[in-house]
Parts: sequence; structure tokens; C-alpha cells
Amino acid sequence: NAGVTQTPKFQVLKTGQSMTLQCAQDMNHNSMYWYRQDPGMGLRLIYYSASEGTTDKGEVPNGYNVSRLNKREFSLRLESAAPSQTSVYFCASGWSSYEQYFGPGTRLTVT
Amino acid sequence: GENVEQHPSTLSVQEGDSAVIKCTYSDSASNYFPWYKQELGKGPQLIIDIRSNVGEKKDQRIAVTLNKTAKHFSLHITETQPEDSAVYFCAATLLGNQFYFGTGTSLTVIP
Repeated sequence: NAGVTQTPKFQVLKTGQSMTLQCAQDMNHNSMYWYRQDPGMGLRLIYYSASEGTTDKGEVPNGYNVSRLNKREFSLRLESAAPSQTSVYFCASGWSSYEQYFGPGTRLTVT
Repeated sequence: GENVEQHPSTLSVQEGDSAVIKCTYSDSASNYFPWYKQELGKGPQLIIDIRSNVGEKKDQRIAVTLNKTAKHFSLHITETQPEDSAVYFCAATLLGNQFYFGTGTSLTVIP
């Protein structure tokens, strides 16, 4: 089992560009999450999907959209990147909100 | 929503000594408290958790204690080893809802 995989590992964008971060899990989890991690801020929830076909906003959803493509895949889209979105992004999955498993992260820089 | 505070932000200990990290939470309804370890360049990994109906839980060299009345919980690592060096995050949640993370503690174990 690969667990939770994320692509890409690194990305540099210019302000205003768009991109999609991909996440997939092979553990048959119902719930999937997108977090951002900034120095001194811990992990903050952007969006989550409690089950296939549903998505909900977390603590910091502005500037992002998500798609739960199927049970395995949950993508995060930045339509018009801003320097404030420079961060490390983590995808996680789990059974409901119990014992979340994290991917290796995507380090995004917006210049 | 929930507010989780974590202290200290950095901690250095000699190999073999104990390390203690403390977290407080604000929402008395929270009933699940996981601890995550994040090594450099990797995603957070669950190391131990505790539910609100338990006061203490141990797993080899690590233990977590919970004081519901005071709304705080702590991670204890005994006989620290260099491989314990990492960033540790606490979190609090009402099961079925989103996690709220602390801001992290960078632990350095000095050989």
C-alpha cells in the first residue's frame, strides 16, 4: 500500500497562475482533507470531504476549490495564485475524523 | 471553534532525559486528542492518541495524560533518543468534526 500520495512534490508559480494539487489514497478511507502548514501556524484545514460526493469548507478556504473525484482522489485547485498561498500543503485521509493519515506534502512557492 | 495552544515552541533535552509538551484546548465538548510527529520533509504521523473517557495512555516510551477539568493534555517522552528529534503537534476534536492543531513543538535531543 502506498498510503496517501501527493503530486507534485514542489511547485513554483507566478502570481495569477492556476494549478491543481493531486491527492490519492489506497486505504479505502471515506474522509479526505487538505491542510496548509505555515511557520508558527501549525496545520490549518482548507477543505474536507466526509464522503465521496461531498465537500465542506474548513478554517481557511478562501482562494481554493476542491473536487472529490472518486473515493480515492481529492484535488485542490488554486485558480489565481497569490504570494499569501506560499505554503506546504498536506492531504490526509481517514475514517471520519479519527486517525488521519497524511501524505508527504507539496511545497508551493508563489512569486 | 476550538482553540488549541501548545507549549513550548522549542525544546532541547539531553539524550536519556524526559521531554514534556503541553497543550490546552478551549471547547469542553472535544473528546479526542491525537499527537503527531513530523520529521523533516515528511508529513505528520500519528504517534499516540487519547479519548476523553481515559486519563492516561502509554505506549512504550511515550505517554499522554488528559485533564478534562483543566482542559489540558500533555505528551511525555521518556529516555529520549536522537531519533525522537522532530516537530510534535497536538490536536483536539469532537469526533466527527475537524481537527484543530496546536502550533507545534520542535524537539531536539542532544546526543
